[in-house]
Formats: sequence, structure tokens, C-alpha cells
Amino acid sequence: AQTVTQSQPEMSVQEAETVTLSCTYDTSESDYYLFWYKQPPSRQMILVIRQEAYKQQNATENRFSVNFQKAAKSFSLKISDSQLGDAAMYFCAYIGQAGTALIFGKGTTLSVSS
Amino acid sequence: EPEVTQTPSHQVTQMGQEVILRCVPISNHLYFYWYRQILGQKVEFLVSFYNNEISEKSEIFDDQFSVERPDGSNFTLKIRSTKLEDSAMYFCASDGTGSMYEQYFGPGTRLTVT
Repeated sequence: AQTVTQSQPEMSVQEAETVTLSCTYDTSESDYYLFWYKQPPSRQMILVIRQEAYKQQNATENRFSVNFQKAAKSFSLKISDSQLGDAAMYFCAYIGQAGTALIFGKGTTLSVSS
Repeated sequence: EPEVTQTPSHQVTQMGQEVILRCVPISNHLYFYWYRQILGQKVEFLVSFYNNEISEKSEIFDDQFSVERPDGSNFTLKIRSTKLEDSAMYFCASDGTGSMYEQYFGPGTRLTVT
């Protein structure tokens, strides 16, 4: 069975600085998709960024980028120029090409200080 | 921008009662999902639904749970006889084509079973 591991329960960063959130996963599938979701205090789940496993190029969305290392089964999220509004719980998630269920990690709580 | 909506935002019910959680997915989406998040824990998949039938379900989705798309817009989750451990945030999500693997989440319904 596929698993997603986020080893950092909590992280902190200062405004304008860069922070990297870690995620590893375990799968025997060759085709899959990886995601980062943001969950602010409102508890709404917001899609931040998506990576297709067949793409070598790392996905980027404005200040958010990923470092996807397929061989190492690693998928980290880098937030550049951190803002107070980035403070939230961040979840890494996996879905296999044949599946329909997102598999989530336990999340990393990111705090941002001014 | 189209979004997934869920009602009610908070539901309080007594143990043993039936509850129906309602979702309106994004209008042109074809795949629908329910997830739950017990407070402080990770998001867990319950069920996926496509073409008026269940595509996949987790071990959590036992006989107490059912889903329905009663009309062209609503997608419901019914819990027949609620238990204390059903207290959680329930998220509905929808996906446009399945092949894009981008599930957009609603704001959630907080279910409290007393």
C-alpha cells in the first residue's frame, strides 16, 4: 500500500525568508501524481501545487515550488518570500494513476513570524 | 471562480441519529469524493463516486455510510446511525476529468456527535 510521510510536525519561518517542507512517499507504481495542499485555520483544503511523476521538470506556482526526486521518492515544497498568510497546515498527498483516492501525510504546521 | 460548496458548515447530532451532509460539486466535474479529518489527524479518504456509482471506498466506509447524487447538482453523504467517533470534519471534493487528478475541496462540514 502507498504511504506518505511528513517528518516535520512543525516548522517556522520569518517573513520574506524561504522554507522547505519535506515529504517522502512509498509506492510501487511508476505513474502517479503528487500534491501539496494548504489548510489554514478555516480548515478549508486548498490545492497549492501538483507534480506528475512522468515529468522531470519541477512544478512551480508563483512563490511555491517543489523538488521532486523520483528515485528517492521525495517531494519537498519550497515557499519563497514567506508571507504571514502562508501560515497553515500543509499536507503532502499522493494519488496513483489507477486510483481515485488521495493519500495524505500527517501534515506540517507552518508558522510565519514578522 | 467555480468552487465546491458544502452544507451545513456545522452539524450537531445525537449518537444514533442519521445525518446527511450535502455537497454541490463544481458544475462540469464528473468525479466526486468524500474525505474526513478527525481533529488533529490527517485527512482520510472515504469514497469516490463516478457515473452514479461508487468507484472506490475505504475500510472506514462501512454499511453505516452511503452516498448519493440525487439530482444533477447535489452529492450527499449519509451516516445512518452516528457514533461518537464519527465526529470529524467531512470534506467533499470534485475532479473535472479524472485524468487531471486535481481534486478541489469544499470548505467542509464539522460534524459533532454527542
